[in-house]
Amino acid sequence: GEDVEQSLFLSVREGDSSVINCTYTDSSSTYLYWYKQEPGAGLQLLTYIFSNMDMKQDQRLTVLLNKKDKHLSLRIADTQTGDSAIYFCAEAPRDTGRRALTFGSGTRLQVQP
Amino acid sequence: DGGITQSPKYLFRKEGQNVTLSCEQNLNHDAMYWYRQDPGQGLRLIYYSQIVNDFQKGDIAEGYSVSREKKESFPLTVTSAQKNPTAFYLCASRGVLESGEAFFGQGTRLTVV
Repeated sequence: GEDVEQSLFLSVREGDSSVINCTYTDSSSTYLYWYKQEPGAGLQLLTYIFSNMDMKQDQRLTVLLNKKDKHLSLRIADTQTGDSAIYFCAEAPRDTGRRALTFGSGTRLQVQP
Repeated sequence: DGGITQSPKYLFRKEGQNVTLSCEQNLNHDAMYWYRQDPGQGLRLIYYSQIVNDFQKGDIAEGYSVSREKKESFPLTVTSAQKNPTAFYLCASRGVLESGEAFFGQGTRLTVV
């Protein structure tokens, strides 16, 4: 079945890099996503990667995909206090009629000044 | 502006009452989704709809109902049969492209009083 797992909490100091990890189980997934949720708000898409790519960079964000191990990571360079939020990894399994994304439990990132 | 609008932002329900959460999108997306979010947990799929006048149960549909009479609208009713309705509810929509990201509304926080 579909399952996405993330660690629950990460604390870093302002200016350091943050690395948030995710594992998924559905090898048929074509796209993998990272979303950010601030308190009391909806989810905002940060970036996504196609399953035939190894890496994608977008300004301070770097996504690495190890398809063999089904491991996805999000690196945030020069982490700022405004990056404090919950980060969700999600996969879009292929060949499911509902086309709904499957989400992990989210990683709460705390940035210390 | 294009996007998804959920209302109300906060909703209080008495025991035994049905309440309806609104979700409207002007993105011309065919697919719409309702997710439930509990503290420390990921998003769980309640119902989804791929096209007008059609909808399907997600993973936790018991105690909920939906309708999809218009492409733009996908209201969710939380019925008295839902024994633990206090949660944060998120509506999302997605386009037809396989890479299509899911856009989220700002959420409705439902509390039973």
